[in-house]
Amino acid sequence: DIVMTQSPDSLAVSLGERATINCKSSQSVLSSSNNKNYLAWYQQKPGQPPKLLIYWASTRASGVPDRFSGSGSGTDFTLTISSLQAADVALYYCQQHYTHTLSFGGGTKVEIK
Amino acid sequence: EVQLVESGGGLVQPGRSLRLSCTASGFTFGDYVMSWVRQAPGKGLEWVGFTRVKPDGETTAYAASVAGRFTISKDDSENVAYLQMDSLKTEDTALYYCCRGYCDGVSCYAYFDLWGQGTLVTVSS
Repeated sequence: DIVMTQSPDSLAVSLGERATINCKSSQSVLSSSNNKNYLAWYQQKPGQPPKLLIYWASTRASGVPDRFSGSGSGTDFTLTISSLQAADVALYYCQQHYTHTLSFGGGTKVEIK
Repeated sequence: EVQLVESGGGLVQPGRSLRLSCTASGFTFGDYVMSWVRQAPGKGLEWVGFTRVKPDGETTAYAASVAGRFTISKDDSENVAYLQMDSLKTEDTALYYCCRGYCDGVSCYAYFDLWGQGTLVTVSS
């Protein structure tokens, strides 16, 4: 099974500053057949279900502000919030769907400094 | 409105069974991958299982922690997905989310663009 490891567990960033979350998979999630990384990012606010932010490692889901961006390939991925807003305080999870046994990272809590 | 609504959660004793339902509306249910993801209190997300539909073929997959105890099924005529949970353990206590895999009209993928609000399962004596 693919293990997803996120870092850091939590981070505090000032409003308007950049927040960076890392996600590492124990094996590559890049498909050679379509050259796509089977990696998604979700945002979960307190008391709410997760919300899809990014898929194929770098494609923003519909309605997601462009301050959110995803990058990386193979085994190393990054979610960046370019200018942190108060509304971005949440837990963030990465998820691989390269194999039939899906897996999530442990989550990263983003707070305001 | 496009939505998923879970039901069937509650308090159950260890070793007993419980069946969760996920009722879909606003989209063609039979065309999608439907999955269950759970979240123990104060913990992260854990994938439970999914059922994948044509044209990829009807397949079901489960996390190792629930394989052999949990069964996912779908009734496309009623737009309902089920999670049958047998031999429940205290560590199965969690909020259970139903979620929909993304489909682009040609293929379906197991990342989730629609989530329900969840139903809470508590396993305790």
